[in-house]
Amino acid sequence: GAGVSQSPSNKVTEKGKDVELRCDPISGHTALYWYRQSLGQGLEFLIYFQGNSAPDKSGLPSDRFSAERTGGSVSTLTIQRTQQEDSAVYLCASSSLWDNSPLHFGNGTRLTVT
Amino acid sequence: AQKVTQAQTEISVVEKEDVTLDCVYETRDTTYYLFWYKQPPSGELVFLIRRNSFDEQNEISGRYSWNFQKSTSSFNFTITASQVVDSAVYFCALGRRPNTGNQFYFGTGTSLTVIP
Repeated sequence: GAGVSQSPSNKVTEKGKDVELRCDPISGHTALYWYRQSLGQGLEFLIYFQGNSAPDKSGLPSDRFSAERTGGSVSTLTIQRTQQEDSAVYLCASSSLWDNSPLHFGNGTRLTVT
Repeated sequence: AQKVTQAQTEISVVEKEDVTLDCVYETRDTTYYLFWYKQPPSGELVFLIRRNSFDEQNEISGRYSWNFQKSTSSFNFTITASQVVDSAVYFCALGRRPNTGNQFYFGTGTSLTVIP
């Protein structure tokens, strides 16, 4: 079946603009994660959605970052008033509720703030 | 608290050499899961393997093998007869039971370069 889909694959924006990144998880996966990966760095956890539970937002770096997940499926990560340090690859991943289910990652959105 | 440590930041080996990537984890959970992911230069993260905490049997898949030892909280990954295509960043991850909040904890990754 289809994997995790992210759009756009690349986004170049001017400093101060808002951006929206979209993630379409694997059908039936109730858990959805957003990570950020700066050049040559590891995975930085941003936010986690699980079913209808309140999301775990503990990884969001500032209040300029927010995320929604509508209908338990598609998720949008919004970054307001983008800064140059926001430049990174934003990765979305999903998994099922079954024990030991791995995360399945999308190909990411490469965000460049100029 | 959960934590995954990959002490090796970068490793370079010559093609056909064996290489072991170390992973040490910390958790107080009695049931947990361990994963390895590969991130080639193209950027996508590829799932390689998962192990359950109650199954310490080592696993071999072709040139890849994994050594899980609960006594030392380690889940090491060995590539035998390395090839240039193995060049990538490898991430080890710890997974918790569902419904425990953030379920996955990643190490900082080990960048492997295989020199032809």
